Amino acid sequence: AQKVTQAQTEISVVEKEDVTLDCVYETRDTTYYLFWYKQPPSGELVFLIRRNSFDEQNEISGRYSWNFQKSTSSFNFTITASQVVDSAVYFCALSEAGLKMDSSYKLIFGSGTRLLVRP
Amino acid sequence: GAVVSQHPSRVICKSGTSVKIECRSLDFQATTMFWYRQFPKQSLMLMATSNEGSKATYEQGVEKDKFLINHASLTLSTLTVTSAHPEDSSFYICSAIAQDFYEQYFGPGTRLTVT
Repeated sequence: AQKVTQAQTEISVVEKEDVTLDCVYETRDTTYYLFWYKQPPSGELVFLIRRNSFDEQNEISGRYSWNFQKSTSSFNFTITASQVVDSAVYFCALSEAGLKMDSSYKLIFGSGTRLLVRP
Repeated sequence: GAVVSQHPSRVICKSGTSVKIECRSLDFQATTMFWYRQFPKQSLMLMATSNEGSKATYEQGVEKDKFLINHASLTLSTLTVTSAHPEDSSFYICSAIAQDFYEQYFGPGTRLTVT
């Protein structure tokens, strides 16, 4: 069965600190996708990144970076020099990458990590 | 990027009534749409997968007669909460996948309050 674990329920940091959000996943599939989404108080999900299981290269996008390690089934997300606007709930998610278009792409979400960045 | 809208954004209804939530893909055709439910301070839970022109596939534990899903066109899926009860109060989010690619685009969500 597929499962995504975000062990950190809530993290509080002071502005400009770096912060890492952990994500550990379980799947029996050899091909899959991993995602991170941001959910600000407004509720709308904001897509941050998608990574497929064959691409273990780390990615950096501005202050955001992601560390994908298949050996430990982890896909951690780091925010460098955090800002108050980064305060939100962050979800890690997993989906299959099968050939069928119907249910193969349903997302399994982790429980989310609430990040509070204090000024 | 692709846009998915939901209507209404907020709805308050009385217990026992039914309420319909619309999910539209505005600039692309979506063969598949998903409906998620999110309770306060909790994660998103997939309720059902909606395919255009066919019956929806419901996740285990989701009552199909309670949550009616219709995907009548490539740009519209509706979720009807029938005989709503206070425990149905939640944030309902839809997402859509385009025909040609597998990126999933989320709607802004609908907050349902049943009094």
